[in-house]
Amino acid sequence: SQTIHQWPATLVQPVGSPLSLECTVEGTSNPNLYWYRQAAGRGLQLLFYSVGIGQISSEVPQNLSASRPQDRQFILSSKKLLLSDSGFYLCAWRTGQGNNSPLHFGNGTRLTVT
Amino acid sequence: GESVGLHLPTLSVQEGDNSIINCAYSNSASDYFIWYKQESGKGPQFIIDIRSNMDKRQGQRVTVLLNKTVKHLSLQIAATQPGDSAVYFCAENKVRGGKLIFGQGTELSVKP
Repeated sequence: SQTIHQWPATLVQPVGSPLSLECTVEGTSNPNLYWYRQAAGRGLQLLFYSVGIGQISSEVPQNLSASRPQDRQFILSSKKLLLSDSGFYLCAWRTGQGNNSPLHFGNGTRLTVT
Repeated sequence: GESVGLHLPTLSVQEGDNSIINCAYSNSASDYFIWYKQESGKGPQFIIDIRSNMDKRQGQRVTVLLNKTVKHLSLQIAATQPGDSAVYFCAENKVRGGKLIFGQGTELSVKP
């Protein structure tokens, strides 16, 4: 069966520090991968998605970047965190075979920028 | 702009009653819709989905209804249990790009 792993579960970082969140998927090949951010009490905002190694689409201009160095690895990064980067970051995958399939989410990383 | 919105931000029901959570969408070209359940501190969990060529789909204790005429989606939960307490999100899949757009969520509270 397919599983998705995100780490760390929680993170407290000072303003101006770098960020690296990692997500890996097991049990599937060529998945579409996604990074979402969720503010408290709000819906999910799509940040980045990837349909293949090295292919990244950015949805909103921001202080973050994403990379996909391997088929089942998706990394969210920042060179210098801002207070507004605080939030709940969720990685998700779906099968790459067409778009009518659900996203499967990890358990997220709670990031607090102080 | 295009969006998916929820009619009610909170819903409180008695244990054993049926729950109905509603969602309006504005993109008539969307071809696929999903309901998710999110418990505190966890990622959203897939509940049920429906394609635009259907108007009803049933799962275990859940039913999703799609009314394309008025662009309305609903999730019905039968015999609601305390474990159903969570935030429920609807999401629509845009035909172009396959991106899922999420609504703001409805918090369901089940009273024992």
